[in-house]
Parts: sequence; C-alpha cells; structure tokens
Amino acid sequence: GAGVSQSPSNKVTEKGKDVELRCDPISGHTALYWYRQRLGQGLEFLIYFQGNSAPDKSGLPSDRFSAERTGESVSTLTIQRTQQEDSAVYLCASSTTGYSTEAFFGQGTRLTVV
Amino acid sequence: AQSVTQPDIHITVSEGASLELRCNYSYGATPYLFWYVQSPGQGLQLLLKYFSGDTLVQGIKGFEAEFKRSQSSFNLRKPSVHWSDAAEYFCAVGASNTGKLIFGQGTTLQVKP
Repeated sequence: GAGVSQSPSNKVTEKGKDVELRCDPISGHTALYWYRQRLGQGLEFLIYFQGNSAPDKSGLPSDRFSAERTGESVSTLTIQRTQQEDSAVYLCASSTTGYSTEAFFGQGTRLTVV
Repeated sequence: AQSVTQPDIHITVSEGASLELRCNYSYGATPYLFWYVQSPGQGLQLLLKYFSGDTLVQGIKGFEAEFKRSQSSFNLRKPSVHWSDAAEYFCAVGASNTGKLIFGQGTTLQVKP
C-alpha cells in the first residue's frame, strides 16, 4: 500500500480481554517499530524489528505484551489480559533500513480498556 | 542505550515570533537525529533529519535544526512562526548500529495570534 496501515483504528475492550493490533508496513520496508502514546504523553518505545535480526523487545512493559512479524510483512501486537493502564494510541512505523532513513508512521490504533 | 530529553513540555509564542525547541540526546556514538511534528488528529510527519555532514540542516515548513556534538543537542528553530505551526513536536535519536529509534516526551507549541 501507499502508507503504513493499522487496524483497527479504534478498539474498545473489556478489562481482562486479549486484543490484537495489526500493522501493515510499506512494502519493502525492512524495519518496523511499535510505540505507545498515552494521552498527552510522548512516544514510548515498545519493540523494533529489523530484517531477520532478533527483535529488540526491550520496551515491552510486561509479559502481557508480545509482538510478531511475518518476514518483512505484517506485524501484530498482542496484549493479553488488558488493564485500564493499557489504554493508549498504539503507533506503528516502518522504514527502509531503520538507520538514517525516515520512519513512516501509521495513524495508530486507539485502544480503550473499560 | 540512547535517550532523548525535551526540557520544555509546553511553549507559547506569538505569531511571527521566532521559535527554538530544545532537544538533548544521550548516545555513545554519532547519532542519527530527527524532528517530527504531530498536528491535532494527524499522524507524525518528519520535519528534518541529521546523520552526517553539515551540522545545520534544513527541513520542511521553514524549520531548521543544528547539531551540536559538544552540547549533545539538536535544537529546532524557525525564524517566524505561523498559527498553523501549533502542534506537538518530537525529537528522536536513532542508534547508528541498530537503527532503533527513541523519541523524547514532546513539546507542545501554542501560537498566539
């Protein structure tokens, strides 16, 4: 596609449920990032995929969070047993090499845990 | 590990006035540095980037930034602010060995008429 696509755009879930967020990066982009942006806050790094290298998971806040990426394609971020503090906008970005090139962002998934 | 600090959470300037948004980074090697803007209801857009060469870089919308290694800074400037510049501005540092991109907490810019 022309840009980074994220789905769903909005998700309301009950506390304790699992959710899966999807990111379709720009075709050919080897690097993919996930960030969390709480209301009025900055971008909190979650996880980074670069080609075939092992992902950098250092930003995942707890073992309830996990992410996968199929080759250099789609990525899914899974949050298990959601908590109210998980409410945020989850942003995905991709770039050609992950180094000096620009990261292109999707519009995000707004997650609300009630 | 790299980190970014944006000391100013909120800045208000009058339309037509000059602007400087501060950014300090921490990284052991030469960093890749970026400024992004997030307008209300919009996604993040790259304003400019630095990874080598001239330490003064020009970006879109009349913005520029200067890399100062001695001060570990990459401040964003604009000589004359327009009302449409009101937005959230994020500084980011990319690790030159891995490509990992870390953002600061952001600075909210309000423009007074």
